[in-house]
Amino acid sequence: EGVLTQSPGTVSLSPGERATLSCRTSQSLSNSFLAWYQQKPGQAPRLLIYRTSSRATGIPDRFSGSGSGTDFTLTISSLEPEDFAVYYCHQYSRSGDTFGLGTKVEVK
Amino acid sequence: EVQLVQSGVEVKKPGESLRISCKTSGYSFANYWIAWVRQMPGKGLEWMATFYPGDSEITYSPSFQGQVTISANKSISTAYLQWSSLKASDTATYYCARRCSRGDCFYAFDIWGQGTKVIVSP
Repeated sequence: EGVLTQSPGTVSLSPGERATLSCRTSQSLSNSFLAWYQQKPGQAPRLLIYRTSSRATGIPDRFSGSGSGTDFTLTISSLEPEDFAVYYCHQYSRSGDTFGLGTKVEVK
Repeated sequence: EVQLVQSGVEVKKPGESLRISCKTSGYSFANYWIAWVRQMPGKGLEWMATFYPGDSEITYSPSFQGQVTISANKSISTAYLQWSSLKASDTATYYCARRCSRGDCFYAFDIWGQGTKVIVSP
């Protein structure tokens, strides 16, 4: 398994602002196998982005993913009140899966 | 509708055994991997293992190998996670999640159960 390093650990923003979340992998991986999830308190995670940049069903287009190699980014173009949550990146490989430690997006 | 419904809260003592369940519906159970993910209180997600009901293939995270056992009953489309001897450090919420096919979402976890909270305390 690789190691996924997410930064920042916490970001404080206001509704309407842009959020840029980073996920760095310890090994270069295929873009195909990098995903992002959102988790709100008391809820299960929800798939947002798969294959680096493809939005899952029902995910608004203010969420976008990008990156390649070892550096990946989740961008929320304009934060809505319901977007304040914790975000995790996830990588799949034949030897197993790894999650990052998460980035909390909190209200400033 | 695809659903994963997990068993309820468990309160156990150290040394006790436990099996929690993840009942699936709305898709062909045998054809999709199921993963188990741990979330300790206030912490992030940790992948524990994935299981393929079609041929019972299991991949464990090295961190959890030998600590838990994964199984399933295909006749009732249900996956299980079990412990033979719980420790206080097993206190966490455990999620099951379906791994989608490469053609659908490139092996991401597209459907999640609601989580099972396990509390281990003397």
